[in-house]
Amino acid sequence: SQTIHQWPATLVQPVGSPLSLECTVEGTSNPNLYWYRQAAGRGLQLLFYSVGIGQISSEVPQNLSASRPQDRQFILSSKKLLLSDSGFYLCAWSLGGNYEQYFGPGTRLTVT
Amino acid sequence: KQEVTQIPAALSVPEGENLVLNCSFTDSAIYNLQWFRQDPGKGLTSLLLIQSSQREQTSGRLNASLDKSSGRSTLYIAASQPGDSATYLCAVNAGGTSYGKLTFGQGTILTVHP
Repeated sequence: SQTIHQWPATLVQPVGSPLSLECTVEGTSNPNLYWYRQAAGRGLQLLFYSVGIGQISSEVPQNLSASRPQDRQFILSSKKLLLSDSGFYLCAWSLGGNYEQYFGPGTRLTVT
Repeated sequence: KQEVTQIPAALSVPEGENLVLNCSFTDSAIYNLQWFRQDPGKGLTSLLLIQSSQREQTSGRLNASLDKSSGRSTLYIAASQPGDSATYLCAVNAGGTSYGKLTFGQGTILTVHP
């Protein structure tokens, strides 16, 4: 069966510090991968998606970036965090664009 | 631009009641619609996926319906239990070249009290 992991589970970082969040999927090959952010009062917002290694599409202009160095690994990064980057970050996967999406446990990021 | 609205924003019911959660979307050109459950501080759990060609989808005590032409979906929960307490989210997928990008509603917070 397929499993999706995210780490860390919780992170507290000062403004201006770098960020790296990791997501890995087990039990499937060539999945579509997605990064979402859930901020208080703003619902779930798609940040990035990837249909293959090295292929990243950005949905929202911001100081975040994403990379996919391996088939089942998706990384969310920032060089300098802003207060507005605080939120709950969720990674998801699907077999393709028309298929059911499955979400990971999330990372709670607090920027202080 | 697709917009998804969920009504009510919050719902509190006694255990055993049957209940309906509503989801509406502005653009009927969807490929499928997915209902999720989210417990506090946790990720999303997929409950039901209903394709645009389907009218209903059932899983246990859950039944989701879809009226694509009117831009509406409902999630029916039968014989509610305290363990059903969570936030319920619906999301629409435009399919095709959208690559599975989901547009979410704001959610309905459900509380089932004993």
